[in-house]
Amino acid sequence: DIVMTQSPDSLAVSLGERATINCKSSQTVLYSSNNKNYLAWYQQKSGQPPKLLIYWASTRESGVPDRFSGSGSGTDFTLTISSLQAEDVAVYYCQQYYGSPLTFGGGTKVEIK
Amino acid sequence: EVQLVESGGGLVQPGGSLRLSCAAAGFSFSSFWMGWVRQAPGKGLEWMANIREDGSEKFYVDSVKGRFTISRDNAKQSLYLQMNSLRAEDTAVYYCARSQTGGRYYDFWGQGTLVTVSS
Repeated sequence: DIVMTQSPDSLAVSLGERATINCKSSQTVLYSSNNKNYLAWYQQKSGQPPKLLIYWASTRESGVPDRFSGSGSGTDFTLTISSLQAEDVAVYYCQQYYGSPLTFGGGTKVEIK
Repeated sequence: EVQLVESGGGLVQPGGSLRLSCAAAGFSFSSFWMGWVRQAPGKGLEWMANIREDGSEKFYVDSVKGRFTISRDNAKQSLYLQMNSLRAEDTAVYYCARSQTGGRYYDFWGQGTLVTVSS
């Protein structure tokens, strides 16, 4: 199984400042034949189901604000919130879909400082 | 409007069975892979199972193989998860989710249904 490791477990960021979440996979999730990274990011607010933010490591889902961006390739990935808003308080998860079983990172809790 | 509504959760004794249902609306259900993902209280997300658009292919995480069965009825726009031989560690909120691109990532999730396995 591909193990997904997120860091940090939690972070507190001031409103308007940048938040950076890291995700590392135990093996590559880059499929060489199409040069795509099989990685998604989700946001889960308290008491709500997860919401898809990013897929193919860097493609923003329709309707997701452009302050959210995904980057990285191979085994190392980053979700960046460029200017943190109050409504961004949530737990963020990465997920690989390169191999079965699908696996998620442990989550990163983002709070306001 | 896309809707996924889970039902069937509740309290069950260890070793018991439960069948979860997920009613879909607002999209062409038969055109999408579907899946189940669970979340134990205060924990992270764990993928359970996926099923192809026509039900011809099913995939499971090892921990539930032989105990859980995913199925669908496209005429009823419904997804199911039959859970047998339940254990305390199966206690979780179970989410039904719609998958884009062949069961890879999930672009829409239901609100979830809580399953509690306890004596």
